[in-house]
Amino acid sequence: GAVVSQHPSRVICKSGTSVKIECRSLDFQATTMFWYRQFPKQSLMLMATSNEGSKATYEQGVEKDKFLINHASLTLSTLTVTSAHPEDSSFYICSAKRPNTEAFFGQGTRLTVV
Amino acid sequence: RKEVEQDPGPFNVPEGATVAFNCTYSNSASQSFFWYRQDCRKEPKLLMSVYSSGNEDGRFTAQLNRASQYISLLIRDSKLSDSATYLCVVNMRGSSASKIIFGSGTRLSIRP
Repeated sequence: GAVVSQHPSRVICKSGTSVKIECRSLDFQATTMFWYRQFPKQSLMLMATSNEGSKATYEQGVEKDKFLINHASLTLSTLTVTSAHPEDSSFYICSAKRPNTEAFFGQGTRLTVV
Repeated sequence: RKEVEQDPGPFNVPEGATVAFNCTYSNSASQSFFWYRQDCRKEPKLLMSVYSSGNEDGRFTAQLNRASQYISLLIRDSKLSDSATYLCVVNMRGSSASKIIFGSGTRLSIRP
C-alpha cells in the first residue's frame, strides 16, 4: 500500500517554542492532506484539511495562527505548532489521500511540551 | 450531534465469539466509508472499505445502509489478535472540500 512518512515520531520541546511536523507521501501525489490530534483515550479529532497550493481549512475551535499548515507540494505538508504550551501535548497524525481512495496515515508524532 | 457516532465499548468477548459494531453518521452527502483499526499508540490502519452492497473479507463483514446513515462491522470467530480499537471513518463533503471524520472508536478486547 501507499506510504506516508511523518517526522519526527517524538519530540519534546520547551513551552513557548515552535515545533514543525512533516508529512510526506512517498509513492503517490496527495491532493489532500489531513491533520489530526488525539489526546489520551480520546478519538482522532480533525484539526484541518489542506489541499495542495491553497490555504488550509480549519475545523471549528482550532486556531489557525497557532497551528500553521503548509501544503506546498503534492507530496509534503507541514504542521507548525507555534508557541507551544503543555496543553498542546498530544499525538498528532497526518493523513494523505488522492480522490476516491482511502486515506493513508503517517506514523504519528508524540509531542510533549514541558 | 457528532458527525460520526460509535458505541465506545469496551466490548470484552471470549475468543471465537462473534461481535458487531455499529456506527451512524449525520451528513447524508457522505461519499465513502471505511473501518480502520488502531492499536495502542499506533497510527490507524485501514481494515476495509464499506459498500452499499456489503462486503466481506475473511472473518470481517461490513455493511452500509445509506437510507438509515448506518454502518456496521461484524467480526466472526474472533481471535486474540483482534483486540484493538475499531474506528468508523466517513469521507464527507465539507463546506469547500471533502474531509475525513473519525468516530470515537470502539474498543474490543478478546479474552482467551
